[in-house]
Amino acid sequence: DTGVSQDPRHKITKRGQNVTFRCDPISEHNRLYWYRQTLGQGPEFLTYFQNEAQLEKSRLLSDRFSAERPKGSFSTLEIQRTEQGDSAMYLCASSRPETYEQYFGPGTRLTVT
Amino acid sequence: ELKVEQNPLFLSMQEGKNYTIYCNYSTTSDRLYWYRQDPGKSLESLFVLLSNGAVKQEGRLMASLDTKARLSTLHITAAVHDLSATYFCAVDDTFYFGTGTSLTVIP
Repeated sequence: DTGVSQDPRHKITKRGQNVTFRCDPISEHNRLYWYRQTLGQGPEFLTYFQNEAQLEKSRLLSDRFSAERPKGSFSTLEIQRTEQGDSAMYLCASSRPETYEQYFGPGTRLTVT
Repeated sequence: ELKVEQNPLFLSMQEGKNYTIYCNYSTTSDRLYWYRQDPGKSLESLFVLLSNGAVKQEGRLMASLDTKARLSTLHITAAVHDLSATYFCAVDDTFYFGTGTSLTVIP
């Protein structure tokens, strides 16, 4: 058990480009969550999966955002046509089935120029 | 409107002092979590509170949950510099995090 990993750790992109982030959860965790965090704020929920099923998606999430979790293992978060307002830390977490305690990855910092 | 409110938002305290951070929430969830975040780092789980009256302690930190009052507290005893960080409470079910309490412990 090496914890939740995320790749890349940093991403700089130009406005209008598409970006994709990957999250590998702790192996026995069946739930996986994506959050966005900007400076001075708490994590903002984006979406979560139970196994391969995407069970909830924030109403704040625009159509430019999409997430997948094929086969219930790793997950990807794609942002299409990035905007400067998308600049943030994107956090992934996974949780244990019994308590839903979330273990967070190191995050991917996105900068849109 | 769902709210998870923490107070204070900023806390500066001297080493050796005691203080309490409050987390009020507006859902009926019975599960509440406390996390710590150091600058530039990700979140670290501190406590998981799963029922009314739950109390957990780890070192100088103690967390409690009163689901009837929809209130959780994080009590700091004899603060040390290493506790300086931002502390978040979070309510399950709705995956809402509080705004965070930025704690600075001054020598």
